[in-house]
Amino acid sequence: AQTVTQSQPEMSVQEAETVTLSCTYDTSENNYYLFWYKQPPSRQMILVIRQEAYKQQNATENRFSVNFQKAAKSFSLKISDSQLGDTAMYFCAFISYDKVIFGPGTSLSVIP
Amino acid sequence: KAGVTQTPRYLIKTRGQQVTLSCSPISGHRSVSWYQQTPGQGLQFLFEYFSETQRNKGNFPGRFSGRQFSNSRSEMNVSTLELGDSALYLCASSLEGTGWTGELFFGEGSRLTVL
Repeated sequence: AQTVTQSQPEMSVQEAETVTLSCTYDTSENNYYLFWYKQPPSRQMILVIRQEAYKQQNATENRFSVNFQKAAKSFSLKISDSQLGDTAMYFCAFISYDKVIFGPGTSLSVIP
Repeated sequence: KAGVTQTPRYLIKTRGQQVTLSCSPISGHRSVSWYQQTPGQGLQFLFEYFSETQRNKGNFPGRFSGRQFSNSRSEMNVSTLELGDSALYLCASSLEGTGWTGELFFGEGSRLTVL
């Protein structure tokens, strides 16, 4: 069965610093997407970044980038120049055409 | 374009009662999925509907059910409520077909408290 693991329940980072959130997954499928979603204290889940499994190039979205290691089934999120608004729960998600699996989440606090 | 709308945002029920939650997806999205979020269990997939048919189902008891209407709006129902059903229920919609990217668009959720 597919699983998604986030080994860091809580993390903190100083404002303007860089932090990396870890995610590993297990699957035998070839066609899937990986996502990082952010859930701020106000609750609404929003997309941070997406990675297609068939693309070798790591996705980048402004201050957010991923390190996608398909063979190792690893999908970490790097946040550069951390801002106070980055404080949130971050969920790693595996999505294929018939499966949606979220990791347990990492609570990130950005400290002024 | 309007986002995913969930109603009601907050509700309080007592054990044994039933509850119905509603979700209106983004216009043009035909897939709607539901999730239960609790501090202890995290985000758990309940079920997904596509074109009025349940396409996938998570590991929840039969007290949890749902349906989708022809306009893609979806409802989920929980019967015989238990204290452990207290949670944030999230709905998400996604685009299907050749435009599929896997991305889920979430609503703000319905916070259910069971007393």
